[in-house]
Amino acid sequence: QSVLTQPPSASATPGQRVTISCSGSSSNVGSNTVNWYQHLPGTAPKLLIYTNNQRPSGVPDRFSGSKSGTSASLAISGLQSEDEADYYCAAWDDSLNGAVFGGGTKLTVL
Amino acid sequence: EVQLLESGGGLVQPGGSLRLACAASGLTLSNYGMSWVRQAPGKGLEWVSGINPTGIITYYADSVKGRFTISRDNSKNTLYLQLNSLRGEDTAVYYCVKGFPLAQFDYWGQGTLVTVSS
Repeated sequence: QSVLTQPPSASATPGQRVTISCSGSSSNVGSNTVNWYQHLPGTAPKLLIYTNNQRPSGVPDRFSGSKSGTSASLAISGLQSEDEADYYCAAWDDSLNGAVFGGGTKLTVL
Repeated sequence: EVQLLESGGGLVQPGGSLRLACAASGLTLSNYGMSWVRQAPGKGLEWVSGINPTGIITYYADSVKGRFTISRDNSKNTLYLQLNSLRGEDTAVYYCVKGFPLAQFDYWGQGTLVTVSS
């Protein structure tokens, strides 16, 4: 059981927009910044969004993040086949004194 | 170019020990907090432990507290994770990541596989 809650799966067709949610509590998402990771099979996870809505250099602006209260979301617009991957949200938890991840969302591009 | 290279993984019996190492290049490790994150087969990512730049502050996930020890040798630009009293549920790919505290991990190693089995 992950501390942060994500839907296990999401799907959309190329070109569409998809949103992945991440729900937490006051001790993690509610009081700390949220980061998002993209994980392709056989590779190391990659930081996709940091500090709720910032993109590292090289990440396309098709990817965006937002946060409100104890929930956050990742949006991907203009979906491409290479976006098919697992996506994880993460935040620091002040009660646990540790980083916590969501269970991950497997994105399928139909 | 920043590179994090893990080593030390392998097959170990339940109750056994392993020491993972992470050699960093392209960055001065002493300037950054570092963490270990793992992924068990078919499961999601799990933060395991973190250490501040000087090594004075260390935090652990409840699942490994008292069994794993994180440390660093800044003179060797290397991060370590000592794994003791290993259990089957510790079987996972262990990633060395730059970032601690918070959960902003901007560089990841390729991972090293630890398999706990008799």
